[in-house]
Amino acid sequence: DARVTQTPRHKVTEMGQEVTMRCQPILGHNTVFWYRQTMMQGLELLAYFRNRAPLDDSGMPKDRFSAEMPDATLATLKIQPSEPRDSAVYFCASGLGSGRMNTEAFFGQGTRLTVV
Amino acid sequence: KQEVTQIPAALSVPEGENLVLNCSFTDSAIYNLQWFRQDPGKGLTSLLLIQSSQREQTSGRLNASLDKSSGRSTLYIAASQPGDSATYLCAVEAGANNLFFGTGTRLTVIP
Repeated sequence: DARVTQTPRHKVTEMGQEVTMRCQPILGHNTVFWYRQTMMQGLELLAYFRNRAPLDDSGMPKDRFSAEMPDATLATLKIQPSEPRDSAVYFCASGLGSGRMNTEAFFGQGTRLTVV
Repeated sequence: KQEVTQIPAALSVPEGENLVLNCSFTDSAIYNLQWFRQDPGKGLTSLLLIQSSQREQTSGRLNASLDKSSGRSTLYIAASQPGDSATYLCAVEAGANNLFFGTGTRLTVIP
């Protein structure tokens, strides 16, 4: 059954360490989003890709965050160095998009990151 | 900037009751509106997607309406069940392919 797969599901790391989160979008989807969810801020868009090209990463702290799509089946979100304030659930979503519109967005189960 | 508001923040109803969740957005220039469900510790599950040209969508016991001009959407749940307990989020797609999320309504259906 088609689903967005995220790994790892949970990650606990020490401040200053590098964290890499991975996402496998639904096969055939050409748009990938990264969101961060916290109790205080709700869901925030960090970055999104269309056909593997980054279209908007304005929501992402550039000094420590980076997002890439090495190929159509893998998206990565990296934090280096990690800080306690990065603790959140990170969601990946995929969909089909053309022009300025997307169809339904499908979300992964999220990666719960705790930075101590 | 688009702002999405959901009222109420939390709602408890007895099983079997029909209920309505509300979503409002400040900028009517949207492409579509989507309702999601989130269970504790889980991802978001898409429930219904309404394109800007549509007025409503139905799926089983769920009916979502959209009034773009007034910046409002409602999610109607008929004959609520304990399994409907979750947080319900609405999101509008606007601007440069961005989904703007509300803060959600936490629904508890009491058996």
